[in-house]
Amino acid sequence: GDSVTQTEGLVTLTEGLPVMLNCTYQTIYSNPFLFWYVHYLNESPRLLLKSSTDNKRTEHQGFHATLHKSSSSFHLQKSSAQLSDSALYYCALSDRFNTGANTGKLTFGHGTILRVHP
Amino acid sequence: EAAVTQSPRNKVTVTGGNVTLSCRQTNSHNYMYWYRQDTGHGLRLIHYSYGAGNLQIGDVPDGYKATRTTQEDFFLLLELASPSQTSLYFCASSEDWGENTLYFGAGTRLSVL
Repeated sequence: GDSVTQTEGLVTLTEGLPVMLNCTYQTIYSNPFLFWYVHYLNESPRLLLKSSTDNKRTEHQGFHATLHKSSSSFHLQKSSAQLSDSALYYCALSDRFNTGANTGKLTFGHGTILRVHP
Repeated sequence: EAAVTQSPRNKVTVTGGNVTLSCRQTNSHNYMYWYRQDTGHGLRLIHYSYGAGNLQIGDVPDGYKATRTTQEDFFLLLELASPSQTSLYFCASSEDWGENTLYFGAGTRLSVL
């Protein structure tokens, strides 16, 4: 079945430094949809950005990611970390044209906690 | 923005107890989901549904039942709760599958003693 791998469980950064959270995926389907969800403490998880277009940069709220089908990756980046970016970040995968048993299923990675300190 | 309401927000029960978690969404979304969130495991799908009366099995269904009574309401049932089911539970909904955004509720924190 589908899988999503986030290699870092915890990333600790000093404010102002660049952010990169890794995400790779496995799927048998050729048209995956990739998402980044963010979960701030005491709030609900919510969508940060998403993409299904190969090699096209997607941006939202200062974060960006590019889907690279050749390497099955969708890494999340930001040029300069802010204290308010501290949160749990999930990468997730959906198969847009999957009409089999797993229709409608979104597969999440284990999540990466980002902690930004002064 | 889609509204997803979960109740209760916190629940404490004993081993062997019977628990029902409720979820209601008010945007006529077709899909509804139950996830549990645990440190080191992230969000894991328990059950989901694409309409009233429909139920699909997720990745960690053991010990859980679910029922979608209407377009708006999706319930998660733990009939014999165990300590391993202590977790933070999230309900979510989406209009359709594939590219569509999931909208999450505020979560229910369940403790099984």
